[in-house]
Amino acid sequence: EADIYQTPRYLVIGTGKKITLECSQTMGHDKMYWYQQDPGMELHLIHYSYGVNSTEKGDLSSESTVSRIRTEHFPLTLESARPSHTSQYLCASSGDSWSEAFFGQGTRLTVV
Amino acid sequence: SQQGEEDPQALSIQEGENATMNCSYKTSINNLQWYRQNSGRGLVHLILIRSNEREKHSGRLRVTLDTSKKSSSLLITASRAADTASYFCATGSGGADGLTFGKGTHLIIQP
Repeated sequence: EADIYQTPRYLVIGTGKKITLECSQTMGHDKMYWYQQDPGMELHLIHYSYGVNSTEKGDLSSESTVSRIRTEHFPLTLESARPSHTSQYLCASSGDSWSEAFFGQGTRLTVV
Repeated sequence: SQQGEEDPQALSIQEGENATMNCSYKTSINNLQWYRQNSGRGLVHLILIRSNEREKHSGRLRVTLDTSKKSSSLLITASRAADTASYFCATGSGGADGLTFGKGTHLIIQP
């Protein structure tokens, strides 16, 4: 069982609300990632981090922002949620950029 | 940008049969990995094959890699109902942005 945790698992929220999706790992990994995945579809990288104080945007443009103040914590924030943000958000970490990635259980976000 | 492309998109077989999924990719890689995703959950790592390897086994899983054709296959032998899931290939080029995933193959094992 991977030591990476996401909360909440499910979130239904109204348009315009600010939300933060939490992701924590206890493996001491420097690399952390956020992917967005619509049901039955591929994963799209939206943010990644090399380590503390490092954040980069991924291939898929996203209105969300991330921070990496501590090694173990990589939260994702949406300042003003919209229905187009409805999706599943998956957090992952790895020891190296090319080694095995460990995934959290995901947060399924619905914006109404 | 998308790197891996799985084939077929969906596969339904009887329990006990073997399931084969294929993955093609476009650029040079450091390694190729296969992951499983149960419905609505996170991904679980299955197996990693390095670019200088041609075949790898893990339990009922067998992975092959042909770097000249930029393709890989995942074979699951003696399938079980619990193998029902989506299977993704992911390529690692060693770049800082980690792995790139394909669209996945949705596998259904009929009991």
